[in-house]
Amino acid sequence: ETGVTQSPTHLIKTRGQQVTLRCSSQSGHNTVSWYQQALGQGPQFIFQYYREEENGRGNFPPRFSGLQFPNYSSELNVNALELDDSALYLCASNADRGTDTQYFGPGTRLTVL
Amino acid sequence: AQSVTQLGSHVSVSEGALVLLRCNYSSSVPPYLFWYVQYPNQGLQLLLKYTSAATLVKGINGFEAEFKKSETSFHLTKPSAHMSDAAEYFCAVSPYSGAGSYQLTFGKGTKLSVIP
Repeated sequence: ETGVTQSPTHLIKTRGQQVTLRCSSQSGHNTVSWYQQALGQGPQFIFQYYREEENGRGNFPPRFSGLQFPNYSSELNVNALELDDSALYLCASNADRGTDTQYFGPGTRLTVL
Repeated sequence: AQSVTQLGSHVSVSEGALVLLRCNYSSSVPPYLFWYVQYPNQGLQLLLKYTSAATLVKGINGFEAEFKKSETSFHLTKPSAHMSDAAEYFCAVSPYSGAGSYQLTFGKGTKLSVIP
């Protein structure tokens, strides 16, 4: 048990729709990172938030956006869904900047039809 | 820019045999290196990490890895495979500039099968 939960577990959307994925971290985990894992691939870094501000972003378009809240929860929003957005989305959190292990949630499986 | 190459998308070993999973990295700054394991339908679990201390890193479940700067490698080993080791393993690299937490670049993964 990592103490990181994600919802929903599975989600099916159609192309062009918008989706919000949620992550709940352990109390005190001020850093949250989101990753996209396509089938058969390693996870790819989307972005990271520290104390509610974006703290780094990978090579993803602006239609991928995020929010982090004071209660250690966070959201990943994806607009104008494309078929290639179908993937497992993982969030990971840690307690302090760079000094603690990142704990991963079980992921949300998004299917775009 | 950083990248990770995992040699062998699928490795099979017999139960009790040595496990060797290969990882080579490319990094423009001193790297921090990680090995994660992923069981089916689960998230990632950290096995071990190298953060510029000892070059031989011991992790959970009997795994260890050695950082070799001259070879830009960080191979994962376990002396004796157990059936429960069957899973997918990911090597990852991250910079740490002091400005933030780890932002991992993963390899494509190696699926380990253990034959009874």
